[in-house]
Amino acid sequence: GQQLNQSPQSMFIQEGEDVSMNCTSSSIFNTWLWYKQDPGEGPVLLIALYKAGELTSNGRLTAQFGITRKDSFLNISASIPSDVGIYFCAGQYGGSQGNLIFGKGTKLSVKP
Amino acid sequence: GAVVSQHPSWVICKSGTSVKIECRSLDFQATTMFWYRQFPKQSLMLMATSNEGSKATYEQGVEKDKFLINHASLTLSTLTVTSAHPEDSSFYICSAAGGAHEKLFFGSGTQLSVL
Repeated sequence: GQQLNQSPQSMFIQEGEDVSMNCTSSSIFNTWLWYKQDPGEGPVLLIALYKAGELTSNGRLTAQFGITRKDSFLNISASIPSDVGIYFCAGQYGGSQGNLIFGKGTKLSVKP
Repeated sequence: GAVVSQHPSWVICKSGTSVKIECRSLDFQATTMFWYRQFPKQSLMLMATSNEGSKATYEQGVEKDKFLINHASLTLSTLTVTSAHPEDSSFYICSAAGGAHEKLFFGSGTQLSVL
């Protein structure tokens, strides 16, 4: 079946540092989504990407939809303590919103 | 943005009892909602697609008689875990599509603990 490889699994950084994480797949996706999940909460959508090559920003977050449609990255600039959480990528295939494959997540820890 | 409300946030029940979880789209209509299950430190796994006015579509390996889904209106879907057992303990999350591009928004999740 389709799988997403998300890396790194975890990151420990100092406040103010930039962060980069990515997802790759052997399959092509129509849409790439990036979510953040806090403990005991549902995922919150950060950025949605709809076209190959698309580069989109949301505040300090920037994400890109790879040209091959098989990968995406998320960058966080000047990290702050509230950036702590688990970040998931998700690739959507087919026409249904339910056709989402999630990465295993990147756990981000920020040291003040 | 679109809001999806999920209730309850957590529930503890005895083995053998049934538990109902509600998922509501608060400011949009959702003909389709989705139910996921998430184990600790794991990613979300789609369990089923809930379709308003028709039967839910279950993913392979998910028992439809154990996880009953009802989507009686355009703003409400319910998941009932019947005859719950300790191995059913997990974090259950619903989602619905809304807004521009029909983006997928998630509820806040329900932590189920079966004793």
